[in-house]
Amino acid sequence: AQSVTQLGSHVSVSEGALVLLRCNYSSSVPPYLFWYVQYPNQGLQLLLKYTTGATLVKGINGFEAEFKKSETSFHLTKPSAHMSDAAEYFCAVSDLDFGNEKLTFGTGTRLTIIP
Amino acid sequence: NAGVTQTPKFQVLKTGQSMTLQCAQDMNHEYMSWYRQDPGMGLRLIHYSVGAGITDQGEVPNGYNVSRSTTEDFPLRLLSAAPSQTSVYFCASSPRGPNTGELFFGEGSRLTVL
Repeated sequence: AQSVTQLGSHVSVSEGALVLLRCNYSSSVPPYLFWYVQYPNQGLQLLLKYTTGATLVKGINGFEAEFKKSETSFHLTKPSAHMSDAAEYFCAVSDLDFGNEKLTFGTGTRLTIIP
Repeated sequence: NAGVTQTPKFQVLKTGQSMTLQCAQDMNHEYMSWYRQDPGMGLRLIHYSVGAGITDQGEVPNGYNVSRSTTEDFPLRLLSAAPSQTSVYFCASSPRGPNTGELFFGEGSRLTVL
């Protein structure tokens, strides 16, 4: 069974600084990987996903993530933080059992932007 | 453009009471699911459905029932509420499944069991 570990439940960065949110996964087969974002009092929305092909994936709002199989990682980055990026971010992994798909979420990282 | 609609948004129950959380989507999505979100534990899958008439258990199904009689609706039933079921519940749908398309989430239902 797959699992996801997000290092750091809270991350604070200054406005304009680099954002780095860490995600490591455990899976017996190459998985599909996702980042979702949750703004206060809202549901989650998809930021980006990796399925196959290019290992550097670009998402919405200037975020990107790189799939590194050797490190079993899928860290989320953004070169310059904006106040509107303050939210909770969830990494998720899915197996390839099509028709029986389940997303397993990490415990989340709350991102705070310091003015 | 409604998307995924959950009702109620807030509910307080006493231990032992039953209730149903409603979820409806107007996007003709085949895949629907229920998650619960608890502090420090992320989102955990309760039940999911890959189409009308088909449901299956997720990671934490005990104490919850679901049915899928139509494509649009996927209600979650708590038969006898317990304080451990205090949580925020999210319904999510996808055209064919989370691997082939993104999950669209409702705004959540906050349940407190006293």
